[in-house]
Amino acid sequence: DQQVKQNSPSLSVQEGRISILNCDYTNSMFDYFLWYKKYPAEGPTFLISISSIKDKNEDGRFTVFLNKSAKHLSLHIVPSQPGDSAVYFCAASATYDKVIFGPGTSLSVIP
Amino acid sequence: DGGITQSPKYLFRKEGQNVTLSCEQNLNHDAMYWYRQDPGQGLRLIYYSQIVNDFQKGDIAEGYSVSREKKESFPLTVTSAQKNPTAFYLCASSNGRESREQFFGPGTRLTVL
Repeated sequence: DQQVKQNSPSLSVQEGRISILNCDYTNSMFDYFLWYKKYPAEGPTFLISISSIKDKNEDGRFTVFLNKSAKHLSLHIVPSQPGDSAVYFCAASATYDKVIFGPGTSLSVIP
Repeated sequence: DGGITQSPKYLFRKEGQNVTLSCEQNLNHDAMYWYRQDPGQGLRLIYYSQIVNDFQKGDIAEGYSVSREKKESFPLTVTSAQKNPTAFYLCASSNGRESREQFFGPGTRLTVL
């Protein structure tokens, strides 16, 4: 049973536009959420995180929104750049020692 | 330069052979993790360790073994009991109780022929 879901396997966006990547979770005990970016044949790199006590966190072009009642979070990238083309993993944590990853969304930013 | 190293980048083995994947970190992190990634799937947790000489099974531990004799090292052995060993293996570390952010190594692509 997938606790972290990313229902869009892929997404294409024009350069300069906004990219919105969505993530849903089922476990109400999750209290910390992370987004990672991964290029092919490389390890994921941490992008941005949010605690359940917040509903928004910004870092430059990246903003994560959390809707606890809907058990939904989203990552906004504005403006999108070709270098943003990668697989994005949503992850969630209920305890300090484990993180559950979603299946990923492949983002293509078209020049 | 602090980070996580995994070696080798690519590994080929014959079916039925055990193989050990290396993971070393110089970040002074207490916690270390092993994940497996298959095409179209997320990262699935194999084993993790919060402290030296202690480790726990993750969601897909069958056919794998680990050791944590030193804080810096967390090698993963893929045994012949693992039915589908061909995959991309990722090692990660974190500060444990201080932070849930995990730092990843570059990965090892294991192909069993």
